[in-house]
Amino acid sequence: DIQLTQSPSFLSASVGDRVTITCRASEGISNYLAWYQQKPGKAPKLLIYGASTLQSGVPSRFSGSGSGTEFTLTISSLQPEDFATYYCQQVDVYRALTFGGGTKVEIK
Amino acid sequence: EVQLVESGGDLVQPGGSLRLSCVVSGFTINTNYMSWVRQAPGKGLDWVSVIFIGGSIYYADSVKGRFSISRDSSKNTLYLQMNSLRAEDTAVYYCARVLFTSGRLGFDHWGQGTLVAVSS
Repeated sequence: DIQLTQSPSFLSASVGDRVTITCRASEGISNYLAWYQQKPGKAPKLLIYGASTLQSGVPSRFSGSGSGTEFTLTISSLQPEDFATYYCQQVDVYRALTFGGGTKVEIK
Repeated sequence: EVQLVESGGDLVQPGGSLRLSCVVSGFTINTNYMSWVRQAPGKGLDWVSVIFIGGSIYYADSVKGRFSISRDSSKNTLYLQMNSLRAEDTAVYYCARVLFTSGRLGFDHWGQGTLVAVSS
């Protein structure tokens, strides 16, 4: 199975900061990557699919990029409601739909 | 409005069985890909299984041979039959709809989750 490694696993940031989270795949997955946000006690929320397509209703401060084995999720200006855990997921349907280990974003 | 409501979670002994249900409203499950995802307490997301529109099914290696995904279109309900349960299967189990558009995929609607605890 493809392994997804997120970095960092934890980051501390302030409101207004630009935040970048990286997801590396153990082998090439083209643009078959999605990003999710999860808050405590809640189900995950889809942010980005196809590596860079913003899901309907998601604020434009979120963006995704990358292809192949390296991907990034960027929050251009961190807002109070963005403090959460973020996960990447490889979504090539002919392989296991594995998730990365997660990145917890906390308030500095 | 789209809603997914899971049920069936319980405390079960190792080696036991459980069937989870996910009742869906707002869309038809047999014209969508559907999936199960779990999350152990304090841990990350763990993909379990997916069922395609045409009926093809895939499982994570950790549950292959023990879990079975199915759907009942007359009830618009997704199921997960879990047999030979182990302590490491303890988790909140979510059902999710799989958005599949122009070859791009993501899990766009999720239920609230149901807790399965495996312990003696």
